[in-house]
Amino acid sequence: GENVEQHPSTLSVQEGDSAVIKCTYSDSASNYFPWYKQELGKRPQLIIDIRSNVGEKKDQRIAVTLNKTAKHFSLHITETQPEDSAVYFCAAGDSYDKVIFGPGTSLSVIP
Amino acid sequence: GAVVSQHPSRVICKSGTSVKIECRSLDFQATTMFWYRQFPKQSLMLMATSNEGSKATYEQGVEKDKFLINHASLTLSTLTVTSAHPEDSSFYICSAVRAGGGQPQHFGDGTRLSIL
Repeated sequence: GENVEQHPSTLSVQEGDSAVIKCTYSDSASNYFPWYKQELGKRPQLIIDIRSNVGEKKDQRIAVTLNKTAKHFSLHITETQPEDSAVYFCAAGDSYDKVIFGPGTSLSVIP
Repeated sequence: GAVVSQHPSRVICKSGTSVKIECRSLDFQATTMFWYRQFPKQSLMLMATSNEGSKATYEQGVEKDKFLINHASLTLSTLTVTSAHPEDSSFYICSAVRAGGGQPQHFGDGTRLSIL
């Protein structure tokens, strides 16, 4: 089955700096890669997703890149703000079936 | 929008009790719903995939007789934790995928289960 690894587990950045979180996956059949933001005690919120037919996707300050050959994908957050502080999860799987979540990255943005 | 309602939000009960958690898609039909468990400071662990009108598919290591899943309609899936024990205490979250639409999945608010 699919196995997703995520690094780093914790990340602290100064407000205004960029944050990068990286994930690798094991199943070459995976074709859907979402990123979720979760605040303490709340539901995960989808912030961006990418499908295997594209290599990069951007939405304002957030971008995701996908390298299918190497089986890794990354989340880039630019101009970070204190409200970006949360736990971020990557996931990999099938666009019409389940996804498997990575272990998470706790991001702290220091004002 | 795509709203998923999960009930109850919190349950505290004695060891040995069975607890039922409901997951409803309010404004869309969902042929597939997922159930996750999340321990403190850990990731979401997929427990099972619930398909309307058929048996759930459980992930490896998840006891199907312990965690009963029923998906009786296109808008409702239930998870019953049978004979719950303290080690079953966790945050349980469901999600739903639009019928015929595929990902992304839309999450409920979760249920915090505490077994005394």
